[in-house]
Amino acid sequence: NAGVTQTPKFRILKIGQSMTLQCTQDMNHNYMYWYRQDPGMGLKLIYYSVGAGITDKGEVPNGYNVSRSTTEDFPLRLELAAPSQTSVYFCASSYLGTEFNQPQHFGDGTRLSIL
Amino acid sequence: ELKVEQNPLFLSMQEGKNYTIYCNYSTTSDRLYWYRQDPGKSLESLFVLLSNGAVKQEGRLMASLDTKARLSTLHITAAVHDLSATYFCAVDPLYGGATNKLIFGTGTLLAVQP
Repeated sequence: NAGVTQTPKFRILKIGQSMTLQCTQDMNHNYMYWYRQDPGMGLKLIYYSVGAGITDKGEVPNGYNVSRSTTEDFPLRLELAAPSQTSVYFCASSYLGTEFNQPQHFGDGTRLSIL
Repeated sequence: ELKVEQNPLFLSMQEGKNYTIYCNYSTTSDRLYWYRQDPGKSLESLFVLLSNGAVKQEGRLMASLDTKARLSTLHITAAVHDLSATYFCAVDPLYGGATNKLIFGTGTLLAVQP
């Protein structure tokens, strides 16, 4: 299994440009998440999804949008890139059921610089 | 608002020594996770602690959870260089259930010196 796959791995954007970070998982997980990690810091939740068609905001959603049209895919959209969005972005997925709780599985990250 | 604090933020230790990383959180929770991150890499799950008094061990690492004290510890026994990494704890803010909207600590950078 590939697990959680993120593309691209690296990207440099100019201020005001837009882009979509792609995330796909092949573990049939119902929950998916987007985090950002700033240098020397922990992860902060941007958006999450509990299933196809359902998304909600996390701690730091401003400047981002998401959609979840399938169980497998959860893209993150930056509409007007700003220098404050320079960060490493991680996508994760997990299965949340009624009787057990599993850890989140993370992708390898997308390193985004906005200049 | 749930806050998660780890200490120390940086730990330099010699091979063969023991040490403990602490994770304190500010509101009631009974779900806590420990992750490892190597430089420039993704996060790897180490432990899932789901109730008060939970203890998990894997190799030289042992994690515990005290929900009454709002404290988790990650104990390192006889450290080896391969354990050098950043360790994060993460807390689910819902007690008696799960949201999976984890709040992460700032991490502890562990450097094991020969």
